[in-house]
Amino acid sequence: AQKITQTQPGMFVQEKEAVTLDCTYDTSDQSYGLFWYKQPSSGEMIFLIYQGSYDEQNATEGRYSLNFQKARKSANLVISASQLGDSAMYFCAMREGTGGTSYGKLTFGQGTILTVHP
Amino acid sequence: DTGVSQNPRHKITKRGQNVTFRCDPISEHNRLYWYRQTLGQGPEFLTYFQNEAQLEKSRLLSDRFSAERPKGSFSTLEIQRTEQGDSAMYLCASGPRNEQFFGPGTRLTVL
Repeated sequence: AQKITQTQPGMFVQEKEAVTLDCTYDTSDQSYGLFWYKQPSSGEMIFLIYQGSYDEQNATEGRYSLNFQKARKSANLVISASQLGDSAMYFCAMREGTGGTSYGKLTFGQGTILTVHP
Repeated sequence: DTGVSQNPRHKITKRGQNVTFRCDPISEHNRLYWYRQTLGQGPEFLTYFQNEAQLEKSRLLSDRFSAERPKGSFSTLEIQRTEQGDSAMYLCASGPRNEQFFGPGTRLTVL
């Protein structure tokens, strides 16, 4: 069974508008972490934001925020005020395991290609 | 530059040859991961080191693959007798407990 699902192969947004990239996950662990990475055409994976399963507040990092809905097992990325440089592939990922015994490997979704139009 | 570095950035080899990639993690990070990414897919976990100990290996890591982290600093990933199916981007990441920071990757092409 797929553990991370990104149902949007591609998304388009107008510059300066907000966009939401969807991510749902499946795990039976109580302690886990959710990540979003950006991968531009150069290929480097750029860390954007992290949400722990026990974090009560939704994570925010500048223009990025993570809409964490634990009961729905969703961790959508919201990008506000889109810029042309935001055009890239975006991956949602999950780290499973409990605390210090977790080795921390990430399981990635298939990704969503975001295109920002001027 | 204090990020994760990988060398070489690109490698083209003929089928059957051996290749070795190097990863230099962020210096204070004791956790180091290798992933493989094929075109249009998300990265897939290959192996994990905590300091010099290799604690987890994926079933993707066949016996042609070997990884080391001899002094708990840099790591190498060797592929013996390369096959065309090994063509991919090989990504290294390091991190403290929660986060993982990726290097630029090594793109391998097997002819």
